[in-house]
Amino acid sequence: ILNVEQSPQSLHVQEGDSTNFTCSFPSSNFYALHWYRWETAKSPEALFVMTLNGDEKKKGRISATLNTKEGYSYLYIKGSQPEDSATYLCAFKDSSYKLIFGSGTRLLVRP
Amino acid sequence: NAGVTQTPKFQVLKTGQSMTLQCAQDMNHNSMYWYRQDPGMGLRLIYYSASEGTTDKGEVPNGYNVSRLNKREFSLRLESAAPSQTSVYFCASSEPFRGGGFLETQYFGPGTRLLVL
Repeated sequence: ILNVEQSPQSLHVQEGDSTNFTCSFPSSNFYALHWYRWETAKSPEALFVMTLNGDEKKKGRISATLNTKEGYSYLYIKGSQPEDSATYLCAFKDSSYKLIFGSGTRLLVRP
Repeated sequence: NAGVTQTPKFQVLKTGQSMTLQCAQDMNHNSMYWYRQDPGMGLRLIYYSASEGTTDKGEVPNGYNVSRLNKREFSLRLESAAPSQTSVYFCASSEPFRGGGFLETQYFGPGTRLLVL
């Protein structure tokens, strides 16, 4: 059974704080690592797809790094805003068609 | 484009009743998926269809059946609902592989909230 772990489970920060969370995944048979943003009462939306060790992706104030050798990815948010409040999901992809999702990190940004 | 649509949005069933959750996508995606989401757990794959005409079991297939009716539609059926199937169900679809890479982003529907009493 493949295990994708995310930490912390939840995070409360003040507006303007920078924050980061971790996704741990199996380091063998790696194909891709996905990050999704999931706002309450909406569907998950893709943020990044990362495939190469050392990959770094950036979208506005959000960035992600990938270490496939040790099996982790970090998601960073610089200068958090209330609209960043959401659950951030990572998902590991191996050689099958399937994504294995972590349980997410719930971020709440207080104004 | 509507993206991925799901019906119904909400359903209450009694134990033992059957129902079909419908999903359709208009993005010409080959692959479609059904997930369930329970508190404290990530999205868990129930069934998937890599392409029209094929379906495969995911992580938690027991108690469910699926039909890939055509390229657009992928339905999930509960033959005899149980309280353990109370959950939020998400359908997703993804682009075909490009250049041999696995860059397929999944696009999710709005979800169906199911309560089994």
